[in-house]
Amino acid sequence: GESVGLHLPTLSVQEGDNSIINCAYSNSASDYFIWYKQESGKGPQFIIDIRSNMDKRQGQRVTVLLNKTVKHLSLQIAATQPGDSAVYFCAENMLGGGATNKLIFGTGTLLAVQP
Amino acid sequence: DAGVTQSPTHLIKTRGQHVTLRCSPISGHKSVSWYQQVLGQGPQFIFQYYEKEERGRGNFPDRFSARQFPNYSSELNVNALLLGDSALYLCASSLEQGWGEQFFGPGTRLTVL
Repeated sequence: GESVGLHLPTLSVQEGDNSIINCAYSNSASDYFIWYKQESGKGPQFIIDIRSNMDKRQGQRVTVLLNKTVKHLSLQIAATQPGDSAVYFCAENMLGGGATNKLIFGTGTLLAVQP
Repeated sequence: DAGVTQSPTHLIKTRGQHVTLRCSPISGHKSVSWYQQVLGQGPQFIFQYYEKEERGRGNFPDRFSARQFPNYSSELNVNALLLGDSALYLCASSLEQGWGEQFFGPGTRLTVL
């Protein structure tokens, strides 16, 4: 199938290692952040989200860290598996009844897991 | 439960034609958003609809239009197709306006020749 990873930053890790994917977001008014995983030929899949009143949130094998001071977001994946190979996007949004659901996506990072 | 569904899966058109893409949100979700994803880039916001009204619009020309039906499904229409319209068109649904968590469908791959 086609690749969505052309010309994207690439992170190559060994199976079993931890992965850290970084993202810089653009709008200081954004208060909601999401990480998506996109496999080749598929739509983005929700991984984990975090609101601006938090600086860390953990899920199953994943952790998101938010640093509002420098507008930086990171996704940590523990014990990376071959099935984690995909393009990872961060996205930002603003919540609230008056806000749209417009997500602003980052450029994406291709995670390549070596067996 | 079924996720977001989109049709068709793939579509090939020629320049100048028009196209209609369809999306059915997750049951109970009232908001639908459309995104364009060019190969190698992140999705770009086109429209958001909530309760049949346009609630947000991205930086796309008037050739792009959309609508939402009473059952919350949605159509994206693109007129006078250009080669640069070739992309993966994604639909995302969420429970409410300004809710946050959005779920994406598999997309429609449009190729303009």
